[in-house]
Order: sequence, then structure tokens, then C-alpha cells
Amino acid sequence: AQKVTQAQTEISVVEKEDVTLDCVYETRDTTYYLFWYKQPPSGELVFLIRRNSFDEQNEISGRYSWNFQKSTSSFNFTITASQVVDSAVYFCALSEARRGYSTLTFGKGTMLLVSP
Amino acid sequence: DTGVSQNPRHKITKRGQNVTFRCDPISEHNRLYWYRQTLGQGPEFLTYFQNEAQLEKSRLLSDRFSAERPKGSFSTLEIQRTEQGDSAMYLCASSSDSSPGYGYTFGSGTRLTVV
Repeated sequence: AQKVTQAQTEISVVEKEDVTLDCVYETRDTTYYLFWYKQPPSGELVFLIRRNSFDEQNEISGRYSWNFQKSTSSFNFTITASQVVDSAVYFCALSEARRGYSTLTFGKGTMLLVSP
Repeated sequence: DTGVSQNPRHKITKRGQNVTFRCDPISEHNRLYWYRQTLGQGPEFLTYFQNEAQLEKSRLLSDRFSAERPKGSFSTLEIQRTEQGDSAMYLCASSSDSSPGYGYTFGSGTRLTVV
């Protein structure tokens, strides 16, 4: 069975601090995809990034960066110079390929609180 | 492209009543998913449609839960004889490609409270 663990339940930082959200996953699939989603208080899940299991290159998008390490089954997310608008719950997710379609297995999420 | 629309946004119902939620996916998306999110947890998969065919329903939580997608357009999720444990956010997502998670767009969800 697939599993995603986000050990950090809640993180509080002050604006402009850097923060890293941890994600560890378990899967028997050789081909899989990892995701990060942001869920602001309004409730919708906002897609941030998708990474496939064959691409271990780290990625940077503005203040966001992702570190994928297959050897440790981790896909960590770093926000540089955090802002109040970054306050949200962040979910890491893993795809399951099932008979031609996919579903996502989510972690429990990490609530990030950025104070001014 | 107006995104995935879910109605109602909030629903309060008495235990034992039936409720129905609606999801309107992005118009060109042929794949539709329902997820449930309880407080403090990540979303969990419930069921999947490709066009009008429900291809996966084994994860529906009990036989009180059912979903339809007539004509392959909008979808409804019904919960019969609601229980307090059904209180959760029900999320709908749609996509147009079989690549895992490609173009997977979520709606804002329907928050159900059973009193």
C-alpha cells in the first residue's frame, strides 16, 4: 500500500524566514508521481508541482523550491523569504496508477502560519 | 474555463437525512473524481468516472454513498441516512488525461455538517 507521511503538523514562522516542509513516501511502484498542493482557508486545493519518479532534478519556482531524493524517499518543499500569504495547509501526495487512471494518496498536511 | 464548480459550498443536515452534492467539472475534462477530507486529514479517494462510466467505486465508504454522472457531464454524490461521522469536506476533481495527476483540478468542495 502507498503511504505519505508529513511529520510536521504545524509550523510557525515570522515573515521573511525560510521554511522547509518535509514529505516522506512509501510505494512499491517503480513509476510514480509526487505532488504538492496548497489549501488556503477558502478550501480549494491549489496545485503547486508534479514530479515523476525518474526525474530527481531539484526545481525552483520563484520563492518555492523542491528537493526530491529517491534514496531517502523524500520530496521536501522549501519556501524562501516566507510571506503572510503563504499561510495555508500544504499537502504532499503520491499517485497510484490503477488500470488506466490514477488516484492520489495524500499526507495529513502541514499547517504553515506566517506571522508579520 | 471557469474551473471545477461544486454546490452547495456548505450543507448542514440532521442525522438520518439524505443529502446530494453536485460537481460541474471543467467542460472538456472527461475524468471526474470524488474525494473526502475530514478535519486534520488529507483528502481520501472515493470514486472515479470516465465519461459516464463509474470505473472505480470500491472506496466508497459504505452502501449509503452513491455517485452518478449522467451523460458524462456533471456528477452528483449522494449520502443516504447521514451519520455524524459523515461530517467532512467533499471534494471533486477533474482531468482530461490519463497521465497520473496531469491537469488534475480540484473544486472548492462542499462542507457537510451532520447534527
